Amino acid sequence: KAGVTQTPRYLIKTRGQQVTLSCSPISGHRSVSWYQQTPGQGLQFLFEYFSETQRNKGNFPGRFSGRQFSNSRSEMNVSTLELGDSALYLCASSPILGGGYTFGSGTRLTVV
Amino acid sequence: EDQVTQSPEALRLQEGESSSLNCSYTVSGLRGLFWYRQDPGKGPEFLFTLYSAGEEKEKERLKATLTKKESFLHITAPKPEDSATYLCAVQRGSGNTGKLIFGQGTTLQVKP
Repeated sequence: KAGVTQTPRYLIKTRGQQVTLSCSPISGHRSVSWYQQTPGQGLQFLFEYFSETQRNKGNFPGRFSGRQFSNSRSEMNVSTLELGDSALYLCASSPILGGGYTFGSGTRLTVV
Repeated sequence: EDQVTQSPEALRLQEGESSSLNCSYTVSGLRGLFWYRQDPGKGPEFLFTLYSAGEEKEKERLKATLTKKESFLHITAPKPEDSATYLCAVQRGSGNTGKLIFGQGTTLQVKP
């Protein structure tokens, strides 16, 4: 059974650019959540989706956005990148909204 | 405000030296408490879910317990391959959300 797949694994972007990260959940999982992980702040909740609807959003600026498609795959977008956006971005999926979540390996974003 | 605090931040053990990691939490209506293991450069790997005070779960050398205010992850006779960062997270029972609130983690190093 395939796990949660995140692409790309690594990205280097320049300040001011925008980036799109992709997440394919485990087959049959309809809930997808995104987290940002940094050494200083740890794992911080970005947003969650269920059945193509955003159900909850964390305390991040509007530059961070996401969406979920009908096949449950999800993307997150960060516009006007700042140096502080450098982090490991993790996607997690679950069959339902709530319960245990399985994480992907993450996308390491470096902003220079 | 929901909060999770883990202690200690870092722990060094000799192989075979048992110990415990602590996770203190405050949350409005606990749905579940989760333990994850994270290796460098990888996403968190699910270990346990605990739902109510008094519950215990075991897996190999790990045992997780839950009270109304804290959880412990007991490591019995650890091996070097148990070296990792252990993360604790809570999930609210209200608000129809799967959002996980994470602690900062405990980094465990087991020396042979």
